[in-house]
Amino acid sequence: EVQLVESGGDLVQPGRSLRLSCAASGFSFDDHAMHWVRQVPGKGLEWLGGISWNSDVIAYADSVKGRFSISRDNAKNSVYLQVNSLTIEDTALYYCAKGEDGSPVTTLDSWGQGTLITVSS
Amino acid sequence: QSALTQPASVSGSPGQSITISCSGTSSDIVTFNYVSWYQQYPHKAPKLIIYDFNKRPSGVSNRFSGSKSANAASLTISGLQTDDEADYYCSSYVGRNKRVFGGGTTLTVL
Repeated sequence: EVQLVESGGDLVQPGRSLRLSCAASGFSFDDHAMHWVRQVPGKGLEWLGGISWNSDVIAYADSVKGRFSISRDNAKNSVYLQVNSLTIEDTALYYCAKGEDGSPVTTLDSWGQGTLITVSS
Repeated sequence: QSALTQPASVSGSPGQSITISCSGTSSDIVTFNYVSWYQQYPHKAPKLIIYDFNKRPSGVSNRFSGSKSANAASLTISGLQTDDEADYYCSSYVGRNKRVFGGGTTLTVL
């Protein structure tokens, strides 16, 4: 069974940074692209970025490019999201999701339960 | 990249069929065949129900089906059940290894 467990969310002040982690199990992690998606409470889904199986391809939504960074460690079956210069608008539930295959092009087929970032002064 | 356009809400009665549209542009739905649909219950993670326009993952009911027209994708749910009451999101590949979601549609089963 695919399991994705996000962690690292917290209550932080504007301008601070956080590193989110997603621990994967139940599938061959290094065969699949991984993605990050966020959801402001009560609002819709926003794709943030994706990383290919071997980290050769990393893509970001225009809204977060330059401020967010995705990486992965296949030896640890984990993917990470570094979020910098946080603003109140970044308050959201952050999900990691598994790609159907190694390319970020294909669909997101399994999701974790999310980790919450709350940005407040 | 712009979000795909979905109706904010749709409703139907048990046993009926409903269709949710997802409108895009030549930069997404028209060009690429990578449209997915997700079902999300309150306070739960999204679940993939349709991918590549019309394919169903293993375990998803055949009451869910997807289709494509000129510049839109559609999700049809037949034989509506109260369990189908949820939010539904479309998503499309938009090139350059990027994806975008629709704004979401709340389905109410009356």
